[in-house]
Amino acid sequence: KNQVEQSPQSLIILEGKNCTLQCNYTVSPFSNLRWYKQDTGRGPVSLTIMTFSENTKSNGRYTATLDADTKQSSLHITASQLSDSASYICVVSDRGSTLGRLYFGRGTQLTVWP
Amino acid sequence: EADIYQTPRYLVIGTGKKITLECSQTMGHDKMYWYQQDPGMELHLIHYSYGVNSTEKGDLSSESTVSRIRTEHFPLTLESARPSHTSQYLCASSVESGTTNEQFFGPGTRLTVL
Repeated sequence: KNQVEQSPQSLIILEGKNCTLQCNYTVSPFSNLRWYKQDTGRGPVSLTIMTFSENTKSNGRYTATLDADTKQSSLHITASQLSDSASYICVVSDRGSTLGRLYFGRGTQLTVWP
Repeated sequence: EADIYQTPRYLVIGTGKKITLECSQTMGHDKMYWYQQDPGMELHLIHYSYGVNSTEKGDLSSESTVSRIRTEHFPLTLESARPSHTSQYLCASSVESGTTNEQFFGPGTRLTVL
């Protein structure tokens, strides 16, 4: 069964600190993995997209890694800011259908305290 | 931020009412999607469209219906709303680029049925 599991479910950190969010998946055949940021009451916004051949990608203070062999990904946030408080969702796409089926994790709820 | 819009943003209605959630995008994307998301849970695909006059049901069974008469417009209708329909509804659109099929999300409609 194709699944995406994220950990931790929630995380509280102090402003300025770093943190790492984890994503494990069983989706096959794998096409790409995305990390989205979803603010409360808003739609998800894409942070990074990685294909099979990419093992790291950065977007400002966000750095995503991908290990396609172990089917794991992480999202590292550096020097956190209050505006980083949001849900971070790992999404994996397969290439077994024309639609490019997306499998969503439940997200990690990050809270940054001043 | 992506040019995809949803109205209304919030809706509180009584049981039995007919409602239509609007979704429009100005990017000329062929593929559009509707997702349902409950708090702390993953997004579930309820409808999608490959283009004009094309609509398909998603993975999560839904009593809603959709139409795609114009490329930019993908409304979702509930003929008779019930409390079980209370949820957040997210619209998305996408365009294929290489091996990715990046989806851009609207801000969502938070529906409450009393």
